[in-house]
Amino acid sequence: DQQVKQNSPSLSVQEGRISILNCDYTNSMFDYFLWYKKYPAEGPTFLISISSIKDKNEDGRFTVFLNKSAKHLSLHIVPSQPGDSAVYFCAARPLGNNDMRFGAGTRLTVKP
Amino acid sequence: DTAVSQTPKYLVTQMGNDKSIKCEQNLGHDTMYWYKQDSKKFLKIMFSYNNKELIINETVPNRFSPKSPDKAHLNLHINSLELGDSAVYFCASSQDLQGYNEQFFGPGTRLTVL
Repeated sequence: DQQVKQNSPSLSVQEGRISILNCDYTNSMFDYFLWYKKYPAEGPTFLISISSIKDKNEDGRFTVFLNKSAKHLSLHIVPSQPGDSAVYFCAARPLGNNDMRFGAGTRLTVKP
Repeated sequence: DTAVSQTPKYLVTQMGNDKSIKCEQNLGHDTMYWYKQDSKKFLKIMFSYNNKELIINETVPNRFSPKSPDKAHLNLHINSLELGDSAVYFCASSQDLQGYNEQFFGPGTRLTVL
């Protein structure tokens, strides 16, 4: 029962270009969406989030877009840097509790 | 200062043994969680504790039992370990259960059952 899906297991981009990571969800009760970044042998670290009342949230090089009607969100990283190479997890939770569901992750590789 | 810490980082043990993983957070958060990342890399929630009360139990076998001696600690006890328990286990915490706040994760414990 994968309520959060990241259909691209990997993505490779050139340094300086834009990275776009995609995520789809099925549960219409999801109210809050987050992106986490994970390096090998470390725990996931929070990157950016968006609530369902917004369609865009920006933090420096990172922007998250939410399309509620399509049940789709995306993370844009621009410009991409080699240090951004990591696995990115999309997560979502319903209003009122922190029962967070994660996607399977997308491995981003930024080539110098 | 590590916000969420787990010990041990690696744990190798035989089938049938009982083991524990410890977790501590120094963020003053009210809610703590345990996640399992399986071989397919899916992160799945196992438990959450809010003010020492179990909130979620995602159909986890009762061989797994979380124990919270205080708000800053949530330990995971596993009895009669099975091969399928091999995974990376992550502890996490958040400010509370309901607000728009993120979860902070520990570094993970890689459990290998032989």
